[in-house]
Amino acid sequence: EPEVTQTPSHQVTQMGQEVILRCVPISNHLYFYWYRQILGQKVEFLVSFYNNEISEKSEIFDDQFSVERPDGSNFTLKIRSTKLEDSAMYFCASSENSWELFFGEGSRLTVL
Amino acid sequence: GDSVTQMEGPVTLSEEAFLTINCTYTATGYPSLFWYVQYPGEGLQLLLKATKADDKGSNKGFEATYRKETTSFHLEKGSVQVSDSAVYFCALRRSSGGGADGLTFGKGTHLIIQP
Repeated sequence: EPEVTQTPSHQVTQMGQEVILRCVPISNHLYFYWYRQILGQKVEFLVSFYNNEISEKSEIFDDQFSVERPDGSNFTLKIRSTKLEDSAMYFCASSENSWELFFGEGSRLTVL
Repeated sequence: GDSVTQMEGPVTLSEEAFLTINCTYTATGYPSLFWYVQYPGEGLQLLLKATKADDKGSNKGFEATYRKETTSFHLEKGSVQVSDSAVYFCALRRSSGGGADGLTFGKGTHLIIQP
């Protein structure tokens, strides 16, 4: 069964460093998403991506965040200068029709 | 803004017990409502959904009815199994006509079923 895969599963980084989280969506899907969950908090929407551009972004998705689909298969989330409060589980999701989202297992980011 | 409130966990039940996980929402208009489940070591999976008032979503023995009058979408199952142990997330989406709107999630409820 096709699935969304995310790498790395866990990344530890120093405050101020750049981080790139990678996602391989399901191959025929057209809609792509990033969500995050800070420990003990809600799963929060960050950004959606369709037709090679951002469709919607939340207040959390400020200038330090960016997304890219560099090669038609990967979908990346870049955090330019990480802060302690960026520590969270980051989930990638994709959808064929924007109705049913398929999520990856998540990438845990720890900022020290 | 939109919000989803779920009952706090963990919820611990014995096998074959009746399950209810409460979910209420705040949103303008007519959101679509979802339950997602996350099994240990896996990503979130769509469990069921309802797109309009009085719709009942069902899957794998789980049910939830979209109650606009009480702004609720409680998840129920008549007889739980150990394999139902997971984290359950209630979610809503503002748009009912498709598009790439983000989902608004609740905090999640950790369900533990003991044999």
